[in-house]
Amino acid sequence: DSGVTQTPKHLITATGQRVTLRCSPRSGDLSVYWYQQSLDQGLQFLIQYYNGEERAKGNILERFSAQQFPDLHSELNLSSLELGDSALYFCASSVPGGGPLDSPLHFGNGTRLTVT
Amino acid sequence: AQSVTQLGSHVSVSEGALVLLRCNYSSSVPPYLFWYVQYPNQGLQLLLKYTSAATLVKGINGFEAEFKKSETSFHLTKPSAHMSDAAEYFCAVRPAGNTPLVFGKGTRLSVIA
Repeated sequence: DSGVTQTPKHLITATGQRVTLRCSPRSGDLSVYWYQQSLDQGLQFLIQYYNGEERAKGNILERFSAQQFPDLHSELNLSSLELGDSALYFCASSVPGGGPLDSPLHFGNGTRLTVT
Repeated sequence: AQSVTQLGSHVSVSEGALVLLRCNYSSSVPPYLFWYVQYPNQGLQLLLKYTSAATLVKGINGFEAEFKKSETSFHLTKPSAHMSDAAEYFCAVRPAGNTPLVFGKGTRLSVIA
């Protein structure tokens, strides 16, 4: 058990809809990362938050947004969903304060999003 | 941009045989390298990491990886494959600076009885 909790585990929705994915990091971890995993693109970094502030942005679409709350949990919002958004979305957290450069990420079990 | 290349999207070995999963990185400065494993319907788990303390890194479940700067490689090996090793393996690099990990496309390992 990594200590990172993601809800829900599965989500099925229709095109054009909006969904919210939730992540609770390991106790004490200040950094949260969101990744998208699909068969054709592999693991793609979306966005990172550190103690409530956006720290780094990757290949995140404008239809997607995220935030990190004062209690350090994070939400990833996906809107105007398209079929191509179907993927596994992972949240990861790292050691308190961001940690040294060799600090690993600890991953949740992911949310599988299916857009029909 | 920093990147990693995993040679072979699918590797199949017999139980008891050597496992070799290849990873090459591109980096102009010493990188921080990681191997992760993903079992079906689970998240990624850290196998091992390279931190420049030693070129041969030992990880969990009998896996190890050797950092070779001259070859810009960080290949993952295990002397004897078990059925339970069947999973997806990802190599990842953290470029210099406190930036997110960049992952390779993964290699699916199948173990044949």
